[in-house]
Amino acid sequence: NAGVTQTPKFQVLKTGQSMTLQCAQDMNHNSMYWYRQDPGMGLRLIYYSASEGTTDKGEVPNGYNVSRLNKREFSLRLESAAPSQTSVYFCASSERQDEQYFGPGTRLTVT
Amino acid sequence: QKEVEQNSGPLSVPEGAIASLNCTYSDRGSQSFFWYRQYSGKSPELIMFIYSNGDKEDGRFTAQLNKASQYVSLLIRDSQPSDSATYLCAVQSGGSYIPTFGRGTSLIVHP
Repeated sequence: NAGVTQTPKFQVLKTGQSMTLQCAQDMNHNSMYWYRQDPGMGLRLIYYSASEGTTDKGEVPNGYNVSRLNKREFSLRLESAAPSQTSVYFCASSERQDEQYFGPGTRLTVT
Repeated sequence: QKEVEQNSGPLSVPEGAIASLNCTYSDRGSQSFFWYRQYSGKSPELIMFIYSNGDKEDGRFTAQLNKASQYVSLLIRDSQPSDSATYLCAVQSGGSYIPTFGRGTSLIVHP
């Protein structure tokens, strides 16, 4: 039982490049989330998916898109990376109002 | 806008002492309260949750909730250097899929 997995663990992009962060969970959770974490800013919600087939914007969605591919997988896409998107990205899953389970994170640097 | 406030710290306590971490929240409809621990460079992991007013104990950890004062706290008894981490408070409203996270309190337990 791997829990929540994320790939890649580290990534360096040049400004304007695109990439997709992958997330998968094996806990049969309905809800999945993407956060970014910056020093002093805490966890900020980018997008979430309450259930398979639905996605909604969070607090900081600009510059990102998401796809809930199936119940297990929730990907985050940066179409044209900017230095302001340098951050640590966490995927999480949960079942309704229960606690969230986090993946190990992706450390992204945009130069 | 829902807010969760935590003192950023660092809170420094000697080994063996009680560490007290505090969190206030703005949404009176909040029903679920979580404490996550995040070691440097790692992802958050749940250590306590509480739903009802009063105290909830789990080993060296006690969560305290006072809904009238909109206040939740975490006490760590017999603090150990391994407890040194950032502690995130998260609050969730009834029926909501989305927790609101505080920015976290950094705890340092020195030998």
